Amino acid sequence: QVQLVQSGAEVKKPGSSVKVSCKASGGTFSSYTISWVRQAPGQGLEWMGRIIPILGIANYAQKFQGRVTITADKSTSTAYMELSSLRSEDTAVYYCAREVPAAIGYYFDYWGQGTLVTVSS
Amino acid sequence: SYVLTQPPSVSVAPGQTARITCGGNNIGSKSVHWYQQKPGQAPVLVVYDDSDRPSGIPERFSGSNSGNTATLTISRVEAGDEADYYCQVWDSSSDPNYVFGTGTKVTVL
Repeated sequence: QVQLVQSGAEVKKPGSSVKVSCKASGGTFSSYTISWVRQAPGQGLEWMGRIIPILGIANYAQKFQGRVTITADKSTSTAYMELSSLRSEDTAVYYCAREVPAAIGYYFDYWGQGTLVTVSS
Repeated sequence: SYVLTQPPSVSVAPGQTARITCGGNNIGSKSVHWYQQKPGQAPVLVVYDDSDRPSGIPERFSGSNSGNTATLTISRVEAGDEADYYCQVWDSSSDPNYVFGTGTKVTVL
């Protein structure tokens, strides 16, 4: 059984950065693809980017290009999402999720519990 | 970019059937996946590849996809089914490639 456990809630000042971790257990981490999805209060789900740990390759949604960095440490089976130049609109719950191939494209079969990031002066 | 449209809310009495639609241009040519999200919790996959269920998901949850509309059907609705439901597809020509629907709040009367 795959489990994704994320780091705890954060409160950050505008203009600062936040780094959220996602530790995986069960299965083979290197063979996963991990995506990051965020959800602003009362809003829907928004995909930010993903990483393929075995290749060390990350892809990002254009909206977040230049502000987000997704990395992975295979030795600890942990993925990280760092978001910089934070603004109030970045206040959201951030989820990591394991991505698996679909008949066409991909979907997310396991999710972390979420990490609330609050940006406030 | 590709847009998925869902009704904001659906209300259903216990024991009845709830149908949640997900509209998108030629969505029938894509694989559609559905997630259930209860308040304060992470999303849970309930249907993938249009109509397949992950292990542990009741048979009451089923899906279909044709033309411009995909549908998640919840039969014999229970109080515990009250949640937000999101559809999702992968679209190679969109940015981002991973597109979520606008979400539907299912209320059990």
